[in-house]
Amino acid sequence: DTQMTQSPSSLSASVGDRVTITCRASQGISNYLAWYQQKPGKVPKLLIYAASTLQSGVPSRFSGGGSGTDFTLTISSLQPEDVATYYCQKYNGAPRTFGHGTKVEIK
Amino acid sequence: QVQLVQSGAEVKKPGASMKVSCKASGYTFTDCHLHWVRQAPGQGLEWMGWINPNTGYTNYAQNFQGRVTMTRDTSISTAYMELSRLKSDDTAVYYCARGGIYCNGGDCHSPSDSWGQGTLVTVSS
Repeated sequence: DTQMTQSPSSLSASVGDRVTITCRASQGISNYLAWYQQKPGKVPKLLIYAASTLQSGVPSRFSGGGSGTDFTLTISSLQPEDVATYYCQKYNGAPRTFGHGTKVEIK
Repeated sequence: QVQLVQSGAEVKKPGASMKVSCKASGYTFTDCHLHWVRQAPGQGLEWMGWINPNTGYTNYAQNFQGRVTMTRDTSISTAYMELSRLKSDDTAVYYCARGGIYCNGGDCHSPSDSWGQGTLVTVSS
């Protein structure tokens, strides 16, 4: 099975900072990669699919990139409401493995 | 709008079984796969498997093979996930999530675009 490795596991940044989270697949998955945001106590929310396509309604400060095995999620200007844990997930067939998550906090 | 409404919290004894329901509305139930994901307290997301509501075909994660059964009732647009031989480390919030379909020409993607509110299942003696 393809493993999904996220880094870092947590980060602390200031409001307005540019933040980048990395997700690496152990095998190539083309662009079948999604990013989810989960705020404390809330349900996960789809942010990005097809590695770089912003889901409707998601602020444009979020962007995704990559293909094959290496992917990124970037928040161009961190806002207080972005405090959450972010997960990547591969969905090119089963199992649809998630990364272990990256917890983002405000410094 | 798409909505997935799950059944309420449960407390189960070790060795028992649990069954969570997920009622879909706002779209054609048989058009999209339904996935089940769980999250243990303070932990990450774990994909459990999916069901094709149109055919009833299922695909389960290896970790749950032999213990999980996913079914559906198309007449009431509801999917079910049953987990048997429960252990304390099955204590988790269980989510259903729709595999939405997004196509650009022949390039189609199916991320989990709508999620149920979650069902907390506590396994304790």
